[in-house]
Amino acid sequence: ELKVEQNPLFLSMQEGKNYTIYCNYSTTSDRLYWYRQDPGKSLESLFVLLSNGAVKQEGRLMASLDTKARLSTLHITAAVHDLSATYFCAVDILGYGGATNKLIFGTGTLLAVQP
Amino acid sequence: DTGVSQDPRHKITKRGQNVTFRCDPISEHNRLYWYRQTLGQGPEFLTYFQNEAQLEKSRLLSDRFSAERPKGSFSTLEIQRTEQGDSAMYLCASSPYPYEQFFGPGTRLTVL
Repeated sequence: ELKVEQNPLFLSMQEGKNYTIYCNYSTTSDRLYWYRQDPGKSLESLFVLLSNGAVKQEGRLMASLDTKARLSTLHITAAVHDLSATYFCAVDILGYGGATNKLIFGTGTLLAVQP
Repeated sequence: DTGVSQDPRHKITKRGQNVTFRCDPISEHNRLYWYRQTLGQGPEFLTYFQNEAQLEKSRLLSDRFSAERPKGSFSTLEIQRTEQGDSAMYLCASSPYPYEQFFGPGTRLTVL
């Protein structure tokens, strides 16, 4: 059974601190996404990681992908309150021709940044 | 580009009633996906279409659920004889071949 696990499930951190969210998955895939979800809202795409060793950065967030270890990380630098949300990783189960088929989501990490 | 739209945004129904949700994908996206998200969980895949063809259905999609995408444009998801366990956020996403899925705002279903 395909599993996508995130840790921690809940993260409370102070503004200005750094932390990393981990996403482990149990199947072969070269494509992984990170999404942000605010309470009661839909999913906002943060990063698309398309190959082993891919690294993407946007503002205080940086995501990386190691397909050999089946591990992706989302690193938060100098957190601010506005980053408070739930973060999901999603593994792309590719179909014919390498096209996106379906996403298997992780359990989610609820991030609370305290002033 | 107006994004993926879903209608209605909220639906409250009584157990046993039928409900239908609509999803309008981003124009020219040939793939359309349905997911279900319950409180505190990540979204779970239900089904997806390439143009008008339904290519895969999850085991989560019981016989009470049916999805269509006539003419390869908008899609509908119908739930017959709703149960309280059907209460969830139903998310639609569309994708240009072959990458990244863009999600709509979702339809929140409450079954009383």
